[in-house]
Amino acid sequence: AQTVTQSQPEMSVQEAETVTLSCTYDTSESNYYLFWYKQPPSRQMILVIRQEAYKQQNATENRFSVNFQKAAKSFSLKISDSQLGDTAMYFCAFMKAAGNKLTFGGGTRVLVKP
Amino acid sequence: GAGVSQTPSNKVTEKGKYVELRCDPISGHTALYWYRQSLGQGPEFLIYFQGTGAADDSGLPNDRFFAVRPEGSVSTLKIQRTERGDSAVYLCASSLTGQSTDTQYFGPGTRLTVL
Repeated sequence: AQTVTQSQPEMSVQEAETVTLSCTYDTSESNYYLFWYKQPPSRQMILVIRQEAYKQQNATENRFSVNFQKAAKSFSLKISDSQLGDTAMYFCAFMKAAGNKLTFGGGTRVLVKP
Repeated sequence: GAGVSQTPSNKVTEKGKYVELRCDPISGHTALYWYRQSLGQGPEFLIYFQGTGAADDSGLPNDRFFAVRPEGSVSTLKIQRTERGDSAVYLCASSLTGQSTDTQYFGPGTRLTVL
C-alpha cells in the first residue's frame, strides 16, 4: 500500500514571497504519478501540478514548481510570488501508473498574509 | 462548460437514517470516483466507476455503503443506517477515460452530518 505524508500542518507566508511545502511518500512501485491539489474554502479540489515519476525534469506551472527527488521519495511544492488567492489547503497525492485512485496526504494549510 | 456538481451541498441526518448523495460528472466523462474527507484529513478513496460498472470498490468501509451509476452518467452514493462516524465531506470526481494520465476533476462535495 502507498502512504503519503505531509509533515507541515500549517504554513504562513507574506504576499509576494516564496513558500515551500514538503511531501514524502512510500511505495514499491517503479512508475507512478505525483500531484499537488489545492482546496480553497469552497471545498473544490483543484489540480495545481502533476509529475510523472519516470521524468527527471521537475514540473512547473507558472508560479508553482516541484522538487522531485525519486530516490528520497520526496516531492515538495514551491509557490513563488505568493498571492492572497493562494490561501488554501494543499494536498499531495500519489497514483500508480496503471492505477486510477488517488492516495492523499493529510494536507498543509497555507495562509498568505498581505 | 459545467464542472462536476454534487447535491445536496449539506445534509444533516439522524443516526440510523438512510441518505443518498448525488454526483453529476462532467458531460462525456466515463470515469467517476467517490472519496470521503473526514475533518482535518485528506480525501480517501471509496469507489471508482468505469461507465455503469464499479471497477474498484475496495475503499467502501462496510456494507452500509453502496453506490450506483445506472446510465453511466449520474452516480448516487447510498448510506444505510448512518452512524456518527460517517460524518464527513463526500467528494465526487470525474475523468475523461479513467486512465492514469487523465486529470480527475472534483466537485464541491456534500457535507454529511450525522447527529
